Amino acid sequence: EPEVTQTPSHQVTQMGQEVILRCVPISNHLYFYWYRQILGQKVEFLVSFYNNEISEKSEIFDDQFSVERPDGSNFTLKIRSTKLEDSAMYFCASSVTSAGSAGELFFGEGSRLTVL
Amino acid sequence: AQRVTQPEKLLSVFKGAPVELKCNYSYSGSPELFWYVQYSRQRLQLLLRHISRESIKGFTADLNKGETSFHLKKPFAQEEDSAMYYCALFTGGGNKLTFGTGTQLKVEL
Repeated sequence: EPEVTQTPSHQVTQMGQEVILRCVPISNHLYFYWYRQILGQKVEFLVSFYNNEISEKSEIFDDQFSVERPDGSNFTLKIRSTKLEDSAMYFCASSVTSAGSAGELFFGEGSRLTVL
Repeated sequence: AQRVTQPEKLLSVFKGAPVELKCNYSYSGSPELFWYVQYSRQRLQLLLRHISRESIKGFTADLNKGETSFHLKKPFAQEEDSAMYYCALFTGGGNKLTFGTGTQLKVEL
């Protein structure tokens, strides 16, 4: 069964460094998402992406964050200058249709980011 | 602004007992609600959607617009139901799915 894959599974970085988290969505999916979960807290929406454009972003998704679909398969999240509070599990998800009605998000296993 | 509230962080029940996981939402538009589940060491996955009015693994959920609730119910809990359950609200336009804080269900023997 096709799955969303994410790399790396765990990354440790120094504060101020740039980080790129990579995702390979399911191949026929058209909608892509990033969520994050700080330890012990809720799963928070970061951004949704469709047709090579951001559809919506949350207030968390400030100028330090960017997303890109550089080729036909990858979907990346870049954090330009990491802060301690960026430490979290980052989940990528994809869906065939939009997330509502009959939609279903398929999640990756997550990338754990630790900022020191 | 849209909000999803799950008041219980942890719900512990005995096997065979009824289960009700509470979810309340706040949204000015027409809500579309979902339950997602994360079993131990597995990825987050869809359990059910209100629009389908389906029963999945014995779980059902009814949207109550008057009470702005979408509680998840199962008449007889099984050990394999132990998991983290998230209620989620879809708001159209920007294609955003907002999750609640989650409820850890623990089914004890």
